[in-house]
Parts: sequence; structure tokens; C-alpha cells
Amino acid sequence: DAKTTQPPSMDCAEGRAANLPCNHSTISGNEYVYWYRQIHSQGPQYIIHGLKNNETNEMASLIITEDRKSSTLILPHATLRDTAVYYCIVSRARAGGTSYGKLTFGQGTILTVHP
Amino acid sequence: NAGVTQTPKFQVLKTGQSMTLQCAQDMNHEYMSWYRQDPGMGLRLIHYSVGAGITDQGEVPNGYNVSRSTTVDFPLRLLSAAPSQTSVYFCASGVSQENTEAFFGQGTRLTVV
Repeated sequence: DAKTTQPPSMDCAEGRAANLPCNHSTISGNEYVYWYRQIHSQGPQYIIHGLKNNETNEMASLIITEDRKSSTLILPHATLRDTAVYYCIVSRARAGGTSYGKLTFGQGTILTVHP
Repeated sequence: NAGVTQTPKFQVLKTGQSMTLQCAQDMNHEYMSWYRQDPGMGLRLIHYSVGAGITDQGEVPNGYNVSRSTTVDFPLRLLSAAPSQTSVYFCASGVSQENTEAFFGQGTRLTVV
């Protein structure tokens, strides 16, 4: 699976958009970009994922560049409860394949949302 | 719907003791896995299973055994605990299809003294 690079930490003011970047320049065509977050040593929580197109759900938006070498997770209106470690993960998810679910976690980005 | 349930939440072991960390999921997921997380680090895959009766090794399998006799449970056994196994252990589950996410338990914090 492709390796990802994220900034170690970021700050954001409450109510503002948080934009978390991720570089994955060696991503291959069948690899998805996943984002998870971990709040204060709890179990990681899935946020969003995508292959080529931009994606949006109730938690966040994911913007993937056209060449797929980088992406940005956007939390549109950050709250104090969004303070967490955010992990960008690139993973193959072939149906029935043993590579499914082998999520390789880096050190992530510590996002601190302040009042 | 409880999701992924791990027990115990906390455990202290002496070096050389054995124990089993329990993980159960009620979502009828085929795929289950175990990760460990050391302080300040990301999660590392220990073992995983793609269905009952099928298990395989992840990145850091040494010192751990697993079995998958049912779809629901995926216990992790520490054969002879060592201080290097002090960590937080997370169990995860998911469906064996493309394009889906993993669900994680709340973790077991293990200290080996």
C-alpha cells in the first residue's frame, strides 16, 4: 500500500473550516484514500473515503487532486470535539482479497481546535 | 447494536503470564483484525481474519496467537507476556467487500510488569 505524508500538527479556530492535507504520491489506480480520526486514545473512527471523485458526508468533505497524488480533508465548521489525531490511509480494498482492511496507520496529524 | 466490544478495558500482567483479550462484534462482519498502538505511534496490524476458520499474520505477529471459530469472536492470546507488549490493543471489524470502512472497539490497555 502507498505511503502517506501528513503534517504532524495543525491548529484551527472553533467554527472555522479545518483543512487537513495528505500527500500520497505513490498511490496506485486501485487504492482508495481513507480518513480516520482518533479522539484521546479511543478507538479510531471512520470519517470518509474516496477513489477519484470528491466526496462529502455528514462529517466532512474529501478533495482528491486530479492526479490523485494528494488529498485534503475538510471539516467545514470545526468544534472543540473535533480535536483529535487524523489519519490519512491509502489502502487497496479488493473484494475477497486478503489486502482488505490492512490499514497502515502513520503518525497522523494532531488537530487542535481552540475557542 | 453494540458494534465491536473489547474486554477487558484494562489489564496488568506479570512477565511470563498468559492471557486472552476478547473481541466480539454483532454486525455479522466477515473481517476482523487486531492492532496495537504504542505511545505516540499509529496502529500496527497484529493478526487478521477474513472469515471463520481463516486467520493470517499482520505486521507484528510475534508473541500473539489468534483463532476464529465463529464469525462473532476473534480472541487475541498472549502466550508469555513481555514488557515490550505493553500497549493499547484495538480490535476492528468490517465486511469483506470493496469500498467500505472498518469499525473499531474502544481498546484494551495492557501493562506488562
